[in-house]
Amino acid sequence: GESVGLHLPTLSVQEGDNSIINCAYSNSASDYFIWYKQESGKGPQFIIDIRSNMDKRQGQRVTVLLNKTVKHLSLQIAATQPGDSAVYFCAENIVGGNTGNQFYFGTGTSLTVIP
Amino acid sequence: EPEVTQTPSHQVTQMGQEVILRCVPISNHLYFYWYRQILGQKVEFLVSFYNNEISEKSEIFDDQFSVERPDGSNFTLKIRSTKLEDSAMYFCASRRDRGIGNTIYFGEGSWLTVV
Repeated sequence: GESVGLHLPTLSVQEGDNSIINCAYSNSASDYFIWYKQESGKGPQFIIDIRSNMDKRQGQRVTVLLNKTVKHLSLQIAATQPGDSAVYFCAENIVGGNTGNQFYFGTGTSLTVIP
Repeated sequence: EPEVTQTPSHQVTQMGQEVILRCVPISNHLYFYWYRQILGQKVEFLVSFYNNEISEKSEIFDDQFSVERPDGSNFTLKIRSTKLEDSAMYFCASRRDRGIGNTIYFGEGSWLTVV
């Protein structure tokens, strides 16, 4: 079945440094991806999304890169701040077909920002 | 900004009791979801709901679970006879449409503790 996994379960960075969080997905039919941030005791919060016809998308301090050849997704956070400390999940969606109505989540990477 | 709201935020129940978790999705959204997250684990899909019926469900969503949209605003998840392993955070989510670019927005979750 489909699976979404993350390379590193934890990541610690110094405040002000850039962070890179990686995600591998297994279903080549996935065509829409979202990064979520989850703070302790809260629900997943949308950060940025990317469609499969793109390989890069930028937001405010965040950039998502998509490499469909190796089925890899990454989230780059520039000038990481203490408020960025959270668990980050990638989620994949297959639009169309019987499984087009849900997102599959990865395990999550816990980002800790050291002041 | 519109948001998904959930009640209760935390519920403690005895094993074997029935629990109803409530959600108010974003008003112009058409697709509704329940996800579950056991402590320290990834977010898992339970069920999706569209046009007043279940559109997809996972193997977790067995006969003990049911969903209902009793009126034009609420979306509920019922667990008929709770088990210890049902202890988790339950997230309601909604989505305006299922096409690419339509993000799932999550509520803050309902912590269920079964004792």
